[in-house]
Amino acid sequence: DSGVTQTPKHLITATGQRVTLRCSPRSGDLSVYWYQQSLDQGLQFLIQYYNGEERAKGNILERFSAQQFPDLHSELNLSSLELGDSALYFCASSGNVGGADEQYFGPGTRLTVT
Amino acid sequence: AQKVTQAQTEISVVEKEDVTLDCVYETRDTTYYLFWYKQPPSGELVFLIRRNSFDEQNEISGRYSWNFQKSTSSFNFTITASQVVDSAVYFCALHTGGFKTIFGAGTRLFVKA
Repeated sequence: DSGVTQTPKHLITATGQRVTLRCSPRSGDLSVYWYQQSLDQGLQFLIQYYNGEERAKGNILERFSAQQFPDLHSELNLSSLELGDSALYFCASSGNVGGADEQYFGPGTRLTVT
Repeated sequence: AQKVTQAQTEISVVEKEDVTLDCVYETRDTTYYLFWYKQPPSGELVFLIRRNSFDEQNEISGRYSWNFQKSTSSFNFTITASQVVDSAVYFCALHTGGFKTIFGAGTRLFVKA
């Protein structure tokens, strides 16, 4: 158990809908990262927050947004969902801002868009 | 540009065989970090090792060992005397100064009893 929690575990929704994925980092970790894992794209970095501030952006679509709250939990919002957004979404956390330390991953949220 | 290549898509071995997973990276940065993560069938990625670009010492941890060679931009991972529990997808990753960690496509390892 990495100490990172993600809810929900599974999510099934229809195209055009909006969903929110939630992540709680390990105790004491200030950085939260979001990744998308799909069969065709592999594991893609989406975005990083450190202590409430956005620090780095990867291949995140404009339909997606995230935030980190004062209690350090983070939410990833996915809107106008398309079939291609079906994937496993991971949250990871680490202690530092730079991302050069090891990241601890949550169990993931499997999103299915029908 | 940063890139991580894991050319082996799938490897199948019989228990107790040794197996090496290859990882080749590309970066122009002089300071960077390399990682290996394991994704067992349960799905959660597990951190295995981190190595910075200034430390070329090989590392051994039980049945696992890592060989870092800057001259060939490789960071290979060897499992000695493989076990069925080693069956998983293994990812090599690269982190440079841009705050982004780039993962390779992964190598799926099947260890048969």
